[in-house]
Amino acid sequence: GDSVTQMEGPVTLSEEAFLTINCTYTATGYPSLFWYVQYPGEGLQLLLKATKADDKGSNKGFEATYRKETTSFHLEKGSVQVSDSAVYFCALSDLGFNKFYFGSGTKLNVKP
Amino acid sequence: GAVVSQHPSWVICKSGTSVKIECRSLDFQATTMFWYRQFPKQSLMLMATSNEGSKATYEQGVEKDKFLINHASLTLSTLTVTSAHPEDSSFYICSAQENTEAFFGQGTRLTVV
Repeated sequence: GDSVTQMEGPVTLSEEAFLTINCTYTATGYPSLFWYVQYPGEGLQLLLKATKADDKGSNKGFEATYRKETTSFHLEKGSVQVSDSAVYFCALSDLGFNKFYFGSGTKLNVKP
Repeated sequence: GAVVSQHPSWVICKSGTSVKIECRSLDFQATTMFWYRQFPKQSLMLMATSNEGSKATYEQGVEKDKFLINHASLTLSTLTVTSAHPEDSSFYICSAQENTEAFFGQGTRLTVV
């Protein structure tokens, strides 16, 4: 069945450091891929998405490219800020954007 | 964007009691809502699909008699954990779809003692 695997955290970085959170997936069809972010006490918020191979999703300085050949959707940011501290979830969904399959989440701590 | 509100954010209950968690779509109508559960250091797992006006659809391995889902209106779905036990302690989160985007509640941390 469909599944998502992402790197375990926590990840601790200094402000302005480069961030990579790895995500790989297994899917039988052609899923859409997502990164969600959860700040303390809040719900999951869509950070970015890509709906087909080679698409690049980007938002707030974060980006991820849908790589079909490596079944990956790694999240990157060139210079993290303290305000980026949160839990990041990689996910996939079918064409209808109904059921989601999530990774286990990666907690990011950014120190000033 | 659209807002999904979940209540309560956290709850502690005694073993054997029942707990109800509410999920509301605040500014849109949702004929379908989804309930997920997350155990520590594990993925969010889909438990069930809640359909307004009809029975919920449960994923394999989820006990429908233990996790009662009611979707009585287009803006409210409830999940009741009946006869809760410590192994039911988990993080529960709901979602609803508007157009082509899913919106999530803030989640409920359930601790059964």
